[in-house]
Amino acid sequence: QVQLQQSGAELVKPGSSVKISCKASGYTFTSYDMHWIKQQPGNGLEWIGWIYPGNGNTKYNQKFNGKATLTADKSSSTAYMQLSSLTSEDSAVYFCARPWTTRGWFAYWGQGTLVTVSS
Amino acid sequence: DIVMTQSPFSLAVSEGEMVTINCKSSQSLLSSGNQKNYLAWYQQKPGQSPKLLIYYASTRQSGVPDRFIGSGSGTDFTLTISDVQAEDLADYYCLQHYSYPYTFGAGTKLELK
Repeated sequence: QVQLQQSGAELVKPGSSVKISCKASGYTFTSYDMHWIKQQPGNGLEWIGWIYPGNGNTKYNQKFNGKATLTADKSSSTAYMQLSSLTSEDSAVYFCARPWTTRGWFAYWGQGTLVTVSS
Repeated sequence: DIVMTQSPFSLAVSEGEMVTINCKSSQSLLSSGNQKNYLAWYQQKPGQSPKLLIYYASTRQSGVPDRFIGSGSGTDFTLTISDVQAEDLADYYCLQHYSYPYTFGAGTKLELK
């Protein structure tokens, strides 16, 4: 069965960077996009972008250009998202999610990674 | 960007009631290629990731109770929950995956009256 296992919660300082991971199993990692979604406490959901691990192609929500960088390691079936120049506005839960097909709905979700930005 | 206007923001219900949640998109989500609406509905409980309920606007995901019904086409969509159960108390979101950037509705909180 498809599983997306995300890394644990992070407490980071303002101005720093953080890299969170999403390890995929139960399917061919290189055949599907991996998307990332942000959810601030008590708020709704924002789409950040996707990476296609097969060739490393990416697409970002313009709002997150320069903030998020998506990468993937085919050898370990793991997708990564690095967030840079962190501020309190970046404090949120971040989900990875796999669509059913290209341009499809998000069929599978990771459990979420809480990032807290605080001095 | 496609704006998804979801209403109401919150809803207080009693068990057994029927509720309706609406989502209106600023552009049509109907694909001319396959005549499918690129609209999905999710349920999210505290501390959990969103759970898929409905895709293509009206197709129920396997395992989802048939009291969850999705309807609508083009720009106007509805999620109806008939005979609300205590386990249905959660946040509900619509998602458009018609064009980038994908966008979600702001969410509807279903609470117990």
